[in-house]
Amino acid sequence: AQSVTQPDIHITVSEGASLELRCNYSYGATPYLFWYVQSPGQGLQLLLKYFSGDTLVQGIKGFEAEFKRSQSSFNLRKPSVHWSDAAEYFCAVASNTGNQFYFGTGTSLTVIP
Amino acid sequence: DTGVSQDPRHKITKRGQNVTFRCDPISEHNRLYWYRQTLGQGPEFLTYFQNEAQLEKSRLLSDRFSAERPKGSFSTLEIQRTEQGDSAMYLCASSLAVVQVEAFFGQGTRLTVV
Repeated sequence: AQSVTQPDIHITVSEGASLELRCNYSYGATPYLFWYVQSPGQGLQLLLKYFSGDTLVQGIKGFEAEFKRSQSSFNLRKPSVHWSDAAEYFCAVASNTGNQFYFGTGTSLTVIP
Repeated sequence: DTGVSQDPRHKITKRGQNVTFRCDPISEHNRLYWYRQTLGQGPEFLTYFQNEAQLEKSRLLSDRFSAERPKGSFSTLEIQRTEQGDSAMYLCASSLAVVQVEAFFGQGTRLTVV
């Protein structure tokens, strides 16, 4: 069965510092992977996606993620965090028919000045 | 197109009452999904439609829950005889019925059952 694990419930970083949010997935075939961001009381906004090809994918707002099949990971990174990046981040894997998305429990990011 | 729209944004209801939520997907999207998100958790799949056909339902979707998409455009999610455990954010998403596309989410309906 498909599943996503986000080991870090909460992360605090200083503004301007680098960021890495971890995501591990379990899926039998080639996964379709996503990172979404959610601000309080809002819906989810897509940051980036991986389907195939280059394992380093670029997204919006300066985020990137790297797919590592050997580690079943899809970690999200940003070289310099801005205060506006404070939010909840969700990693997701889609079934190969695209009819379901399985989400992790999320990582809450706090940015301190 | 302004994206996926959900109405209402917030709903407070008394236990035992029925509630109905509406979702308007992105106009050219023929897939529509409903998810439920409780505090501190990621969204959990409830059901999805391709056009007007409801193709999959999660076991989370009890008999008190029903979803429709009568003309393959907007969708409604009804909860009958609400319980306190139904309090959650209900998210709607839409996508094209093609693999390798992402789902676009609405802002959700926050349900509080008192």
